Amino acid sequence: GAGVSQSPRYKVAKRGQDVALRCDPISGHVSLFWYQQALGQGPEFLTYFQNEAQLDKSGLPSDRFFAERPEGSVSTLKIQRTQQEDSAVYLCASSLLGTSGRTDTQYFGPGTRLTVL
Amino acid sequence: GESVGLHLPTLSVQEGDNSIINCAYSNSASDYFIWYKQESGKGPQFIIDIRSNMDKRQGQRVTVLLNKTVKHLSLQIAATQPGDSAVYFCAENKDDYKLSFGAGTTVTVRA
Repeated sequence: GAGVSQSPRYKVAKRGQDVALRCDPISGHVSLFWYQQALGQGPEFLTYFQNEAQLDKSGLPSDRFFAERPEGSVSTLKIQRTQQEDSAVYLCASSLLGTSGRTDTQYFGPGTRLTVL
Repeated sequence: GESVGLHLPTLSVQEGDNSIINCAYSNSASDYFIWYKQESGKGPQFIIDIRSNMDKRQGQRVTVLLNKTVKHLSLQIAATQPGDSAVYFCAENKDDYKLSFGAGTTVTVRA
């Protein structure tokens, strides 16, 4: 079956530009996560949605980062006024269940590699 | 997870041999652990998971061992193949749903 898909796969932005990264989770998955992965590092949590509700945005690095999932399916991560330190791979993951005190398996997409010049 | 003690950032293994990848985790309250494989240019791929009420779980050619006493997790891969070459991450659910990832171990399989 279809997994998590992300677009674009690669994005080059000039410093100061706004970017929007899209995530299509596995159909029917309640939970959606965004992670940031710097070169040579493990993914780091950015934000979490349960359906359309953003329950946790504690990992967003600054107020230039904004995420939404208006209909509880597709999600967009937007970065305003990009900086060179925003260069990283942005990963989206989804899981079947919501938070019910029991962690569920997260399935990852291929990621979007963002390069800010 | 964290890269301390037994963790090695790289592992070179002969094709056909067994591989053991180690990981130390940090939070004694974590109750869910998961191993991912990440190939170059791809997202993390689920391998196997284990909950804290178990100490061993087996999949196809893989076994995960959990030692809660010393907060240690290991992944064993039987009969390692060239396609197993990748970076392997362990992760723990530090805060319920959030996964906290270790630094990763790069496995290279020698023909």
